[in-house]
Amino acid sequence: NAGVMQNPRHLVRRRGQEARLRCSPMKGHSHVYWYRQLPEEGLKFMVYLQKENIIDESGMPKERFSAEFPKEGPSILRIQQVVRGDSAAYFCASSPETGGAGETQYFGPGTRLLVL
Amino acid sequence: QKEVEQNSGPLSVPEGAIASLNCTYSDRVSQSFFWYRQYSGKSPELIMSIYSNGDKEDGRFTAQLNKASQYVSLLIRDSQPSDSATYLCALWSGNTGKLIFGQGTTLQVKP
Repeated sequence: NAGVMQNPRHLVRRRGQEARLRCSPMKGHSHVYWYRQLPEEGLKFMVYLQKENIIDESGMPKERFSAEFPKEGPSILRIQQVVRGDSAAYFCASSPETGGAGETQYFGPGTRLLVL
Repeated sequence: QKEVEQNSGPLSVPEGAIASLNCTYSDRVSQSFFWYRQYSGKSPELIMSIYSNGDKEDGRFTAQLNKASQYVSLLIRDSQPSDSATYLCALWSGNTGKLIFGQGTTLQVKP
């Protein structure tokens, strides 16, 4: 019974490059959430997606960041033209299909992005 | 005012003692509350969820919710060194899909 899967676990990019982070939710889960944790800070919500829909992107920076959750395949968080301030741990969480947003969210292992 | 507030600690307790972690929140319509544990360099791991006023017990953990006073707490009985971690309080307000996290309290259990 696989949990939430994220890859890569570690990603190093130079300033100006693109970063693509992938998340596969738990089996039976159709709600995906992305959170960012900056060094020495708490978790901050970025975006909430269901299959082929962005439900809430109120936490996403206005520029360079985008997210998708296609009908087939994992959810992708894309960061274009990365800057050093993007260095953080990016966590994906998922929740069950039935309960919606109020259900418990289960977290993946995270992707640690380092921008040089 | 922050939406979810926790004392960052560190909270230090001796092995075998009760650790008490507290969290206050500002959103009166919040409905669901969660405690996560996060070891250094790892992802958050769910410990407890609580939705109704009162206490909820699970093994050595007890979550307490008081909606009138807008606080939620986590008690850890018989604390072990392996409980040393950062404990994150989170709430779901019901208006969006997001969890709102506190900064976390670092717990140190000394042998």
